[in-house]
Amino acid sequence: DAGITQSPRHKVTETGTPVTLRCHQTENHRYMYWYRQDPGHGLRLIHYSYGVKDTDKGEVSDGYSVSRSKTEDFLLTLESATSSQTSVYFCAINPGTGSNTIYFGEGSWLTVV
Amino acid sequence: RKEVEQDPGPFNVPEGATVAFNCTYSNSASQSFFWYRQDCRKEPKLLMSVYSSGNEDGRFTAQLNRASQYISLLIRDSKLSDSATYLCVVNRPQDGGATNKLIFGTGTLLAVQP
Repeated sequence: DAGITQSPRHKVTETGTPVTLRCHQTENHRYMYWYRQDPGHGLRLIHYSYGVKDTDKGEVSDGYSVSRSKTEDFLLTLESATSSQTSVYFCAINPGTGSNTIYFGEGSWLTVV
Repeated sequence: RKEVEQDPGPFNVPEGATVAFNCTYSNSASQSFFWYRQDCRKEPKLLMSVYSSGNEDGRFTAQLNRASQYISLLIRDSKLSDSATYLCVVNRPQDGGATNKLIFGTGTLLAVQP
């Protein structure tokens, strides 16, 4: 158990509405990540964080913003959801043991209609 | 060319069979290699890291071939519970960066049949 909780786990929203997904971790890990997973593309990095208020873009960051005001919470926001953002979103942490290994939360299924 | 490529499968094998997956990667500077397992509608979970000398964990053996830039996963004596998607993961080294980004393959689907 990586001690990661994602919320909401499932959400249906309308095009143009803002959506925020929350990732909460209990182990005080420094590195946190948001990925999306789509058929044919595998897991793709959206944004990541290497500390409080320290974030950076991944390979598919357009249309997404993130915030990390506390070590334990990493928020992913879709400012104006589009149908192309229908996906499953996984939060992940790197425990920082010197390995690049990351551990995932259970995922958030988002449908934009 | 994709940074990490896998045969999507599906690999349909009978219980007890031995099955092998290969994965190729394009960045010769990559240093970290992993296999993750993902069950349907679940999160990916680390199966094993892949070390230069090869490594084994029970029925699972992982190997790295740097010269040809591929990694492999061998599963012996397949069980029904091995049915899942297996993801190949390779790091993309960042110049001067503290965080190496991980690149995921699209996965190979294994279905073990009774």
